[in-house]
Amino acid sequence: QVQLVQSGAEVKKPGASVKVSCKASGYTFTSYDINWVRQATGQGLEWMGWMNPNSGNTGYAQKFQGRVTMTRNTSISTAYMELSSLRSEDTAVYYCARDGGSYYNYWGQGTLVTVSS
Amino acid sequence: QSALTQPASVSGSPGQSITISCTGTSSDVGSYNLVSWYQQHPGKAPKLMIYEVSKRPSGVSNRFSGSKSGNTASLTISGLQAEDEADYYCCSYAGSSTFDVVFGGGTKLTVL
Repeated sequence: QVQLVQSGAEVKKPGASVKVSCKASGYTFTSYDINWVRQATGQGLEWMGWMNPNSGNTGYAQKFQGRVTMTRNTSISTAYMELSSLRSEDTAVYYCARDGGSYYNYWGQGTLVTVSS
Repeated sequence: QSALTQPASVSGSPGQSITISCTGTSSDVGSYNLVSWYQQHPGKAPKLMIYEVSKRPSGVSNRFSGSKSGNTASLTISGLQAEDEADYYCCSYAGSSTFDVVFGGGTKLTVL
């Protein structure tokens, strides 16, 4: 069965960076794009960008360009999302999701990133 | 890209039908049949309920249906059940050089 398992919760100070991982299993990792979506507490879903695990090509939402980097390690079927220059507004649950064709049929369990001094 | 517009809340009694609207623009909802809907219970990851405007994934009840007219997509839930109480989000492909995606602000469904 398809599974996306994310890394654990993180606490970071303002200005720091965070790197969240998303390990895929149950399918061929390089066959589907991985997208990242975040959700601040009590707020809605916010799309951050996508990565093609086969080519490494990426596309980022304008809001995050310059601060986000999405990468992968195909040997361990793992995608990564790194967000830099963290501020308190980046406190959120970050999800990876498998792109089935502009829809997300599989999601990770979410990773809480807390930014606090 | 601005978020798609959804009502903040809707409610209905068990057995009734409700519809949640999702209004975008001619650059997203109006241009592509790539609208999806997600159900999210508290503390859980979102779950795909509808994709490509009106298609239901395997395992999703046929009480859930989707449609689109112009720049507005809709999710209808018929025969409301207590377990349908959740947040619902619409999502649309929005084109551009980076293949943008945009979500709605979410709708809280209360089953009375």
